[in-house]
Amino acid sequence: GDSVTQMEGPVTLSEEAFLTINCTYTATGYPSLFWYVQYPGEGLQLLLKATKADDKGSNKGFEATYRKETTSFHLEKGSVQVSDSAVYFCALLNTNAGKSTFGDGTTLTVKP
Amino acid sequence: ETGVTQSPTHLIKTRGQQVTLRCSSQSGHNTVSWYQQALGQGPQFIFQYYREEENGRGNFPPRFSGLQFPNYSSELNVNALELDDSALYLCASSLEGQGREKLFFGSGTQLSVL
Repeated sequence: GDSVTQMEGPVTLSEEAFLTINCTYTATGYPSLFWYVQYPGEGLQLLLKATKADDKGSNKGFEATYRKETTSFHLEKGSVQVSDSAVYFCALLNTNAGKSTFGDGTTLTVKP
Repeated sequence: ETGVTQSPTHLIKTRGQQVTLRCSSQSGHNTVSWYQQALGQGPQFIFQYYREEENGRGNFPPRFSGLQFPNYSSELNVNALELDDSALYLCASSLEGQGREKLFFGSGTQLSVL
């Protein structure tokens, strides 16, 4: 079945540091890939997405590129802020099955 | 546009009881999915409803059941509660056919089973 593996956290960075959160997946067919963010006490929000190989999703300074050859979708940001502190989830949507599969999340804490 | 709302926000039940969780989808969305998020884990897909019919199911026993109403709101029912059912239950709505890949999540219902 489909699966998503994220780098284990928690991740603690200083403000303005570079962020990478690794994500790899296993899926049949051609899934769409997503990063969701969950701020404390809130539901998940879509951060960015990519629907086919070599697509780059971007939003709020975050980027991720759909790499079919390495089955990866790593999240990056060049300069993190304290307000980026949250839990980040990598996910895939298998359009044949109609369901999204999520990784276990990576907690990011950014210190001033 | 209104967002996805879930009720109640918190709930405490005892083992063996039954529970009903409710979800109002985002305006105009015709598809609702339910997820279970255990502490420290990612959301696990329970099932999806499209136009009042179940449209996909994850690896959950039959005591997890659902309904979708003509206004596209939805309920999740869990019978014979077990301790392991304690989790955050998330509802997500989407629009089948257009932007169907984007899920809009509610803030969830935190269920504790004692």
